[in-house]
Amino acid sequence: DAGVIQSPRHEVTEMGQEVTLRCKPISGHNSLFWYRQTMMRGLELLIYFNNNVPIDDSGMPEDRFSAKMPNASFSTLKIQPSEPRDSAVYFCASSSRTSPLHFGNGTRLTVT
Amino acid sequence: AQTVTQSQPEMSVQEAETVTLSCTYDTSESDYYLFWYKQPPSRQMILVIRQEAYKQQNATENRFSVNFQKAAKSFSLKISDSQLGDAAMYFCAYRRSPNTGKLIFGQGTTLQVKP
Repeated sequence: DAGVIQSPRHEVTEMGQEVTLRCKPISGHNSLFWYRQTMMRGLELLIYFNNNVPIDDSGMPEDRFSAKMPNASFSTLKIQPSEPRDSAVYFCASSSRTSPLHFGNGTRLTVT
Repeated sequence: AQTVTQSQPEMSVQEAETVTLSCTYDTSESDYYLFWYKQPPSRQMILVIRQEAYKQQNATENRFSVNFQKAAKSFSLKISDSQLGDAAMYFCAYRRSPNTGKLIFGQGTTLQVKP
């Protein structure tokens, strides 16, 4: 298995632009998670899905952030409009009832 | 709400020596899972070891072992025969049983391995 696949690996954008991060979970995993990692706040859960349905989005910082999971093999995290304080590493992870979380390699987002 | 605390922001160990990283957590659940993840400079999150709360026996994976004290809500990681490749940030994490739901992380401990 290729593991959790995230794209892009790096993203540099200007303030005010729309940013879309993508994730392909491991086949057969029914839970998908989006985490954000910063020096100040560590690893924060933004949102997670079970069977493509959002279960807990309490970590989504504000309305500028949105996440979708249209099917079992794809999810997006969108930031619109982006701000410099959104600069961070964004991780996607997936799991099943019998396996722990497996993480993608993350997307490093820089907003200038 | 569940919380995970790692009180050691940084630790160092001499190569080939043993080091223990501390973790405490707070939960009202009786059944849950605990994990240690390693994050090297490549930023990849790698699962090191996991422990089911209902198991009294401490988990072991090669040079990595845990000391799980359920009553004290303590979950420390011991790394034996430390290697240069063990240098990384280590995160303790909690997940409510039955192995679903979100993973809650501690703040992390940066481990330096000195040659």
